[in-house]
Amino acid sequence: AQKVTQAQTEISVVEKEDVTLDCVYETRDTTYYLFWYKQPPSGELVFLIRRNSFDEQNEISGRYSWNFQKSTSSFNFTITASQVVDSAVYFCALSEEYSGAGSYQLTFGKGTKLSVIP
Amino acid sequence: NAGVTQTPKFRVLKTGQSMTLLCAQDMNHEYMYWYRQDPGMGLRLIHYSVGEGTTAKGEVPDGYNVSRLKKQNFLLGLESAAPSQTSVYFCASSYTFSSPLGNEQFFGPGTRLTVL
Repeated sequence: AQKVTQAQTEISVVEKEDVTLDCVYETRDTTYYLFWYKQPPSGELVFLIRRNSFDEQNEISGRYSWNFQKSTSSFNFTITASQVVDSAVYFCALSEEYSGAGSYQLTFGKGTKLSVIP
Repeated sequence: NAGVTQTPKFRVLKTGQSMTLLCAQDMNHEYMYWYRQDPGMGLRLIHYSVGEGTTAKGEVPDGYNVSRLKKQNFLLGLESAAPSQTSVYFCASSYTFSSPLGNEQFFGPGTRLTVL
């Protein structure tokens, strides 16, 4: 089973529509972090948000908001009033320890390609 | 600051050839990482380093070697390239957050490698 599942491979929306990108994760650890990264067409990856496993408060940053629910192991990302510049591949990632204390790994989902049509 | 830079940006190899990818960061970060990105697969960690002189295996280390002789540089080597290693390679670095689990990673622009 995948540790990080982004079930939506591709999404297309019309500009100004709201869109939610789903992320479901799997871990046995009680301490872990979740991330969202953006990869625009230019190719580089850009950090968007970090959330630790003890902080279930939702976060809002401008048009972006994140909904973290441990009960459903989900960390969903919503873009409000989407814009063409939001077109990118978005990756959800899970950071957890492995192979004993001191070693950890960031596992990425396969990404969701968002296309915002003008 | 240049951030994280990668050399080269593109490379074509023949099966069996060797090459080294260079990653450099000027942010004085302790941690550095090498990932590969394949279509539909997301990013997968190859190797990482938590400090100068130390390296560790990630999810897909076979066929690759790494070295971190200087804090600012992290080299990824392919001793005998195979077509399965055709991919886009990303280097990243991170500072030491309150917990290494929470390290925000800064990525380089990527190296597109084709092995024929």
